[in-house]
Amino acid sequence: AQKITQTQPGMFVQEKEAVTLDCTYDTSDPSYGLFWYKQPSSGEMIFLIYQGSYDQQNATEGRYSLNFQKARKSANLVISASQLGDSAMYFCAMREGPFSGGYNKLIFGAGTRLAVHP
Amino acid sequence: GAVVSQHPSRVICKSGTSVKIECRSLDFQATTMFWYRQFPKKSLMLMATSNEGSKATYEQGVEKDKFLINHASLTLSTLTVTSAHPEDSSFYICSARAGTKSPFGSGTRLTVV
Repeated sequence: AQKITQTQPGMFVQEKEAVTLDCTYDTSDPSYGLFWYKQPSSGEMIFLIYQGSYDQQNATEGRYSLNFQKARKSANLVISASQLGDSAMYFCAMREGPFSGGYNKLIFGAGTRLAVHP
Repeated sequence: GAVVSQHPSRVICKSGTSVKIECRSLDFQATTMFWYRQFPKKSLMLMATSNEGSKATYEQGVEKDKFLINHASLTLSTLTVTSAHPEDSSFYICSARAGTKSPFGSGTRLTVV
């Protein structure tokens, strides 16, 4: 069963506008972490934001915020004031807790390619 | 903090030869490192989990004898692609656990000719 689902293969947004990238996850472990990474064409994986399952507040990092809806098992990434440099692949990932096999490893979604238009 | 360095960034090798890729944690000790493979326009696929001082744990379908992983110290893990074939051409990238963070190396683009 797919554990991380990103349903948007591609998205585009106008420069300076906000965009939401969707991510849903599936786990029975009460302890888990959710990540978003940006992958430009160079291939490097750039960490954007982290949300722990017990965190009460939604995570924010500059222009990035994570809309964490635990009951819905969703962890959408919101990018405010998009910039041309935001054009890249974006991956959602989950790390399950110690009660699951494979503690520590990250499981990735299929990714969303974001294009920012001037 | 929590920087992972990966070398080489690009490598071209002939079929039948072996290629070693290094992944180093620069400012922290990484007891566990992860090796991923990524095909063009696809997501990252976990190949194996590398634990310092013990044998690596391979994901289902990954050939242990083809992809040799060594984690001899708390700051270095290596992936050796043995007897490389053109179908091994891919982007390989490593990651480490550093608290809540999971920093990645910059990746290695392997081309087997």
